[in-house]
Amino acid sequence: DQQVKQNSPSLSVQEGRISILNCDYTNSMFDYFLWYKKYPAEGPTFLISISSIKDKNEDGRFTVFLNKSAKHLSLHIVPSQPGDSAVYFCAASEGGGNTPLVFGKGTRLSVIA
Amino acid sequence: GAGVSQSPSNKVTEKGKDVELRCDPISGHTALYWYRQSLGQGLEFLIYFQGNSAPDKSGLPSDRFSAERTGGSVSTLTIQRTQQEDSAVYLCASSRGTGPYPLHFGNGTRLTVT
Repeated sequence: DQQVKQNSPSLSVQEGRISILNCDYTNSMFDYFLWYKKYPAEGPTFLISISSIKDKNEDGRFTVFLNKSAKHLSLHIVPSQPGDSAVYFCAASEGGGNTPLVFGKGTRLSVIA
Repeated sequence: GAGVSQSPSNKVTEKGKDVELRCDPISGHTALYWYRQSLGQGLEFLIYFQGNSAPDKSGLPSDRFSAERTGGSVSTLTIQRTQQEDSAVYLCASSRGTGPYPLHFGNGTRLTVT
């Protein structure tokens, strides 16, 4: 029973355009959400997080949106760059991060020059 | 600065042998986590430590898996009598503590059981 779902295994976007990665969750107790990026043969790298008291958090080209009523979050990358090509994982936790992160299966983003 | 270090980076072992994987967390990080990623899957939680204690071992797949942490620093994950389904990338992460702190991952140990 997957609590965090990333329904798109892959996404291709042209350089300079917006990339939108989506994530759905089923556990209403989740209140802390994160996005990680992973290159081959490396560990995941933290990108951005959001707590359930907010609906948006922005850091440079990366913005995370949270819709609690829909149990949905998304990561927007603007503008997309070839170096953004990687696998992106959505993760969630309960208790303000006091429980281990539950990860989705990831979405492979390809940014085409 | 130094990140999370895992060793070995690759391990090939025969079915039935025991293996030990090591993790050196970021200095000062009190929480340490083990995850694994099988081919085409997401990250599967195994166990975490707060200091030297393991409050949550719920993710360990069987009693062949065990982990310990000493001195609030280095952790080892031991798999006894390895099976082919244990083949995966084992990832270690550390954080400043439990709470709204991101996990910082090492590059993992790729375990192949033949």
